Amino acid sequence: GAVVSQHPSRVICKSGTSVKIECRSLDFQATTMFWYRQFPKQSLMLMATSNEGSKATYEQGVEKDKFLINHASLTLSTLTVTSAHPEDSSFYICSATRDRGQYTEAFFGQGTRLTVV
Amino acid sequence: GQSLEQPSEVTAVEGAIVQINCTYQTSGFYGLSWYQQHDGGAPTFLSYNGLDGLEETGRFSSFLSRSDSYGYLLLQELQMKDSASYFCAVSRTGTASKLTFGTGTRLQVML
Repeated sequence: GAVVSQHPSRVICKSGTSVKIECRSLDFQATTMFWYRQFPKQSLMLMATSNEGSKATYEQGVEKDKFLINHASLTLSTLTVTSAHPEDSSFYICSATRDRGQYTEAFFGQGTRLTVV
Repeated sequence: GQSLEQPSEVTAVEGAIVQINCTYQTSGFYGLSWYQQHDGGAPTFLSYNGLDGLEETGRFSSFLSRSDSYGYLLLQELQMKDSASYFCAVSRTGTASKLTFGTGTRLQVML
């Protein structure tokens, strides 16, 4: 199956600093990637749709100036959490989708556990 | 808006059969997918239903009734390694690659 690689898997940062998370599709080109946030024992909440070569589309309630998304190539999307605060601590997961004809299959990165201290 | 409801927890013994239900409310429904996620891991694709009926993939099967806005995931011959969280996810027409996930069901398989 397709592989999506996410880096780093864990990061601890100080309050007020910025953190960049990378998401790469390793064996297929992804014009669209998605960024999710997941709190412990809860569902995946879609934050934004990352579009190659254009601006990301953010879900309602997600601050686009705080969660900067860049999708500069067909294999790489980055999420930058700017001026991080403890409430930003969470599990962030990216996904890239692949058309299977009758349906679309999502492949997820390993996730990044962000802890802001 | 959209909503997908699942039972929060299910417990079953090894070798048993368990059914995880998903009811959804959404406009422009396209299909229902199921994903498995182990603690600390990434979700992985299990099954997809675009049409009514049952899809079988090994020990896992998934069912969809579009008229009832309802689906379920059936896990047979449960194994300890099946202990995980299971999420249904809907895709909508026009944005078929964009998934909205259900509340998730935590399955605990016991000896």
